[in-house]
Amino acid sequence: GAVVSQHPSWVICKSGTSVKIECRSLDFQATTMFWYRQFPKQSLMLMATSNEGSKATYEQGVEKDKFLINHASLTLSTLTVTSAHPEDSSFYICSPFSGHRNQPQHFGDGTRLSIL
Amino acid sequence: AQSVTQLGSHVSVSEGALVLLRCNYSSSVPPYLFWYVQYPNQGLQLLLKYTSAATLVKGINGFEAEFKKSETSFHLTKPSAHMSDAAEYFCAVSLQGAQKLVFGQGTRLTINP
Repeated sequence: GAVVSQHPSWVICKSGTSVKIECRSLDFQATTMFWYRQFPKQSLMLMATSNEGSKATYEQGVEKDKFLINHASLTLSTLTVTSAHPEDSSFYICSPFSGHRNQPQHFGDGTRLSIL
Repeated sequence: AQSVTQLGSHVSVSEGALVLLRCNYSSSVPPYLFWYVQYPNQGLQLLLKYTSAATLVKGINGFEAEFKKSETSFHLTKPSAHMSDAAEYFCAVSLQGAQKLVFGQGTRLTINP
């Protein structure tokens, strides 16, 4: 069964709206959460890394004030796209990690965000 | 810094034919290497991974990959393609002990009946 739950799977909203994406690890504790973004027909690019209870570390070129990440618990992390614009339209994928080196990397099913 | 290059953004093979998806990596230290498959509007599913044990790695769905240090390659193969193999495939690299992945550009595999 699924070990990662990511919601919503699809969002369509107007420009200027803020959108929250949730990612839950279902049967393990995620000490670290990776958030990736995938533009159409392109690869996944890491946006940020967060550790439970700490501020997220953002990759170069990713605006921390635009993409707010909360990782307040070991089973839930959220990504909020604030004041979204059409250029933020993308496929966002979370990847929780338990911190145990030999554990597999899990991915959520992704959220397709379309900003009109 | 690590990087991954997938040769060929689109590969098309006939059903029953050999599948070969190419991946070359660059890493200053021994890497961990992965192959993932992505179906439309879905997340990633791990096919297989190399973590410095056996150089020939067998994965799910009949796929396997061979780590060749001399060629800095980690090509993915499957002896006989099935229609259900049609998807996007990503090669990825990470530092040993770290889970931060760097992905290749992806290869779209099309299976012709």
